Amino acid sequence: GAVVSQHPSRVICKSGTSVKIECRSLDFQATTMFWYRQFPKQSLMLMATSNEGSKATYEQGVEKDKFLINHASLTLSTLTVTSAHPEDSSFYICSAIALAGGANEQFFGPGTRLTVL
Amino acid sequence: GENVEQHPSTLSVQEGDSAVIKCTYSDSASNYFPWYKQELGKRPQLIIDIRSNVGEKKDQRIAVTLNKTAKHFSLHITETQPEDSAVYFCAAGDTGRRALTFGSGTRLQVQP
Repeated sequence: GAVVSQHPSRVICKSGTSVKIECRSLDFQATTMFWYRQFPKQSLMLMATSNEGSKATYEQGVEKDKFLINHASLTLSTLTVTSAHPEDSSFYICSAIALAGGANEQFFGPGTRLTVL
Repeated sequence: GENVEQHPSTLSVQEGDSAVIKCTYSDSASNYFPWYKQELGKRPQLIIDIRSNVGEKKDQRIAVTLNKTAKHFSLHITETQPEDSAVYFCAAGDTGRRALTFGSGTRLQVQP
């Protein structure tokens, strides 16, 4: 199947700093990628839809100025958490849609565990 | 937008028994219903999916049923094994470019 990678796998930062997370589709081109956030013992919640060459679409309640998304190429989307605070500590997972078995399927990255001290 | 509800939130079964997890969805435009297994700290792994043109799909010990009229779909795991213990999520979406909406998850514990 299609492979999606994320970097870093885990990051610990101080409150007030910014953190960049990369999501790459390794063997296919992804015009659309999605960013999810998962708090402990909770489900995946969609944060935003990242579109190559255009602005991301954010879900209600997600601050676009705090969670900056850039989808500069067909294989790379980045999420930057600006001025991170402890409440931003979470598991961030990206996904991308690729054609598999004749239909579209969503492939997930391995996730990034963010801890803000 | 889409709303997916999942039940139960926790499920404990004896090894060898069957487990059933149920989900309902609200958006009649959804036509793709995947099920994911997630182990602690890992990404969700697709275990089976069903599209709206079929009512049932089976893959070895795992099966999924879909009732489009009632807007609900279920995951059935037979002959459960301890390694089936994990959190299972249902989701609903489409086969186009829409993001998935996930259910709240079911923590399955298979007792040896």
